[in-house]
Amino acid sequence: GEDVEQSLFLSVREGDSSVINCTYTDSSSTYLYWYKQEPGAGLQLLTYIFSNMDMKQDQRLTVLLNKKDKHLSLRIADTQTGDSAIYFCAESIGGYQKVTFGTGTKLQVIP
Amino acid sequence: KAGVTQTPRYLIKTRGQQVTLSCSPISGHRSVSWYQQTPGQGLQFLFEYFSETQRNKGNFPGRFSGRQFSNSRSEMNVSTLELGDSALYLCASSFMGQGADEQYFGPGTRLTVT
Repeated sequence: GEDVEQSLFLSVREGDSSVINCTYTDSSSTYLYWYKQEPGAGLQLLTYIFSNMDMKQDQRLTVLLNKKDKHLSLRIADTQTGDSAIYFCAESIGGYQKVTFGTGTKLQVIP
Repeated sequence: KAGVTQTPRYLIKTRGQQVTLSCSPISGHRSVSWYQQTPGQGLQFLFEYFSETQRNKGNFPGRFSGRQFSNSRSEMNVSTLELGDSALYLCASSFMGQGADEQYFGPGTRLTVT
């Protein structure tokens, strides 16, 4: 079945790296995504990884995928106060965007 | 290029009433998906429309329905509203609704059921 879990809260100091973790249960996931939601705003796609990849880097963002453990992580380098938001991991199956979202991790960046 | 727009932004309804929410996708996008976001259940997929056909559906009761028009605009309808339907309803559009297509989300419609 589909179930995506994340820790609820993460606090880091400005300039440090943030690592947000996610576990999923459906081994047939095709795409895995990271979304950002700021207060009062909609969801913004940050990055995604195809299930046959292990890693994807995009500027300050690094996504790691461990298919064996069904574990996905998002690393944000040099975290800034503007990165404070809720981060959702999500998966889709079969190539279509019937997306299952995780519970969301609230990232607090301390100046 | 204009983003995804949703109307209305806020809505207050009474139990038992019905409601219709509207979503205008980004120009050229043919796939529209709807999600419900609540503090308790998080973000849950409602349904996805592509070329006026419902292509995918989540696990919601039949009170939740939708449709898509030939210009890709979409509406969702909730009949016989319940208190638990209070939520932020998000609409997202993408070009073809394929896994690698970027989904662009609208700001949402905040529905309060009293």
